[in-house]
Parts: sequence; C-alpha cells; structure tokens
Amino acid sequence: QLQLQESGPGLVKPSETLSLTCTVSGGSISSSSYYWGWIRQPPGKGLEWIGSIYYSGITYYNPSLKSRVTISVDTSKSQFSLNLSSVTAADTAVYHCARHQYDLWSGYCDYWGQGTLVTASS
Amino acid sequence: SSELTQDPAVSVALGQTVRITCQGDSLRSYYASWYQQKAGQAPVLVIYAKNNRPSGIPDRFSGSSSGNTASLTITGAQAEDEADYYCNSRDSSDNLYLVFGGGTKLTVL
Repeated sequence: QLQLQESGPGLVKPSETLSLTCTVSGGSISSSSYYWGWIRQPPGKGLEWIGSIYYSGITYYNPSLKSRVTISVDTSKSQFSLNLSSVTAADTAVYHCARHQYDLWSGYCDYWGQGTLVTASS
Repeated sequence: SSELTQDPAVSVALGQTVRITCQGDSLRSYYASWYQQKAGQAPVLVIYAKNNRPSGIPDRFSGSSSGNTASLTITGAQAEDEADYYCNSRDSSDNLYLVFGGGTKLTVL
C-alpha cells in the first residue's frame, strides 16, 4: 500500500523559508505514470493546490504562489520537497503531500499524506 | 487561473439522496474529481475523472457532469458520510495545474 509522510518544522518565522519533505513508501517515486505534489489547507478553510513535480524534475506551480515556491525531487531517497520563501501568517496551514494522476481529461490526487501543520509566527 | 464554486453547506436526511454541485469554466474541458474530508483527517478520493470510484469506495457515491457543472450524488446517505466534500479539476490552461473548489459541508440529519 502506497504511503506518503510529511516531515519538517512546525514553526517558521515570518520572512523565512518553509521547508517540508515527503517520503514515499510502498511504491516507486520514479514511476512514469505519476506526478507528486503539495496541497495546503489553512485552519478552517479549503484546499489550495501548491504544485507538482515529475520524477525527471518537471514542475508545475500554482500561479499565485509561483514566485515563492520550489518543489524538488530526490529519487534515490524516494522523497520530494517543498520550499516556500518569505512566509507570512497567511501561509499558516496544514500541508499535505499527494500523488497526482493526470490524463487528457482530468487531474486528481489519489493518495495523500496525513498532513503537517506549519505555523508562521515569531 | 480557473475557479470552482461549491455551495458552502448542504444537509440530507439519513437514507435519502443528496447532490453536491461544483461549477466552473474548467469543467467544460475537464472532468471533476471529488474528495471526502472528515475532521482532522486527510482528504480521501471518492470519485475521479467524472464517475470512477477508487477501490473501497461504496457504490452509493457517483459523479456526473453537464456543461460547466459537475455533481457528486450520494444515494442513501449514511451517518458516516457527514464530512466536507471538495471538487477539483485541471485548470482550463494547457498546463497541469489543479484547482479545488471551496468545499461543501454535508450534514446528515
């Protein structure tokens, strides 16, 4: 059974960079069928897609976050990572990693990590 | 980028049928998928690519689409179906962006 697990600091100071890692187990991060990505959810609010990455390094980012987001992949460790720079209180959220599937007519996330709460506060 | 609009809250009597809708321009080009999220838990995919159920999802969940509107129907709602439901689709651009709706809180009475 595929599992994804987020890890990283739960507290980040404003103006600093949020860094999280997602470890994939029970399946190959190098599969040609999938992308891997991040979705966040501010407390009491809805889901916001952040971006996704292919095992080769091809990335897609939410245009509203693109200037601050970097997603990278390390296939040797079966991990992919999120960096979000210049954080503010508005970036406080539960951050989920998820496996993405795309075809000509759809895109969706079929496996999700439990999520990790990151608070931006001094 | 595209936006998907959902009603904030819907209620249904136990055992009855409920439809949750999602509207947006991207749905004219791409199929919606649907997620169930219970309090404190990660979202769970319940319908993908318009009307496909992942393994383990009860057949009382179904999806449909018409024009710019996608719908999730729960036929014979159970108490355990009380949750937040989110739709998503690909963005209407040619890139592999995803967009999510704002979510619908389903209450089973």
